[in-house]
Amino acid sequence: DAKTTQPNSMESNEEEPVHLPCNHSTISGTDYIHWYRQLPSQGPEYVIHGLTSNVNNRMASLAIAEDRKSSTLILHRATLRDAAVYYCILRDRNAGNMLTFGGGTRLMVKP
Amino acid sequence: GAGVSQSPSNKVTEKGKDVELRCDPISGHTALYWYRQSLGQGLEFLIYFQGNSAPDKSGLPSDRFSAERTGGSVSTLTIQRTQQEDSAVYLCASSLDGTRNTEAFFGQGTRLTVV
Repeated sequence: DAKTTQPNSMESNEEEPVHLPCNHSTISGTDYIHWYRQLPSQGPEYVIHGLTSNVNNRMASLAIAEDRKSSTLILHRATLRDAAVYYCILRDRNAGNMLTFGGGTRLMVKP
Repeated sequence: GAGVSQSPSNKVTEKGKDVELRCDPISGHTALYWYRQSLGQGLEFLIYFQGNSAPDKSGLPSDRFSAERTGGSVSTLTIQRTQQEDSAVYLCASSLDGTRNTEAFFGQGTRLTVV
């Protein structure tokens, strides 16, 4: 999978929106952008994915830059339960089909 | 519906013993992945199965590690002659297929402690 860069950690206040950035300047035209999160003591959990257009689901929104070299995961109202490590991953046709996890962003939510 | 199930949830073993970790993927999912996560570390890819194709074993750290998937469903990860550095959480995931446009579902993991 192509390389992604995320901040090591971020803080947010409960009930406020959170914007988690991800840079992927070497993305190719066929790479999908995936986001997973891992809550404490649990396995990773799928959040959202997209290719070119912005995507919304019940958990979050994914905003993809026009040049696709960056993306932002948006949590519209952070809750304490959203405290987790968030991983931004690119999946490409040459990746061997595994998900390659980087360091992710540790999101802390303050009450 | 049922998610990915792993057993046991916890395993303590003595150094030098063999262990088997089991993964039951979601029914109908053809892709299955094994990862491990050492304390405070990221996820390390181990092996990937897709349908009847030969598995991608490129992440297995040594020849003490092996995995099989019987009948395209249940998978077993075997670690022979366990060492203390094998202590980690072993995570299994499955997806409908292995394409770039599908999501993976993870189990809760097996916490392996080698003493």
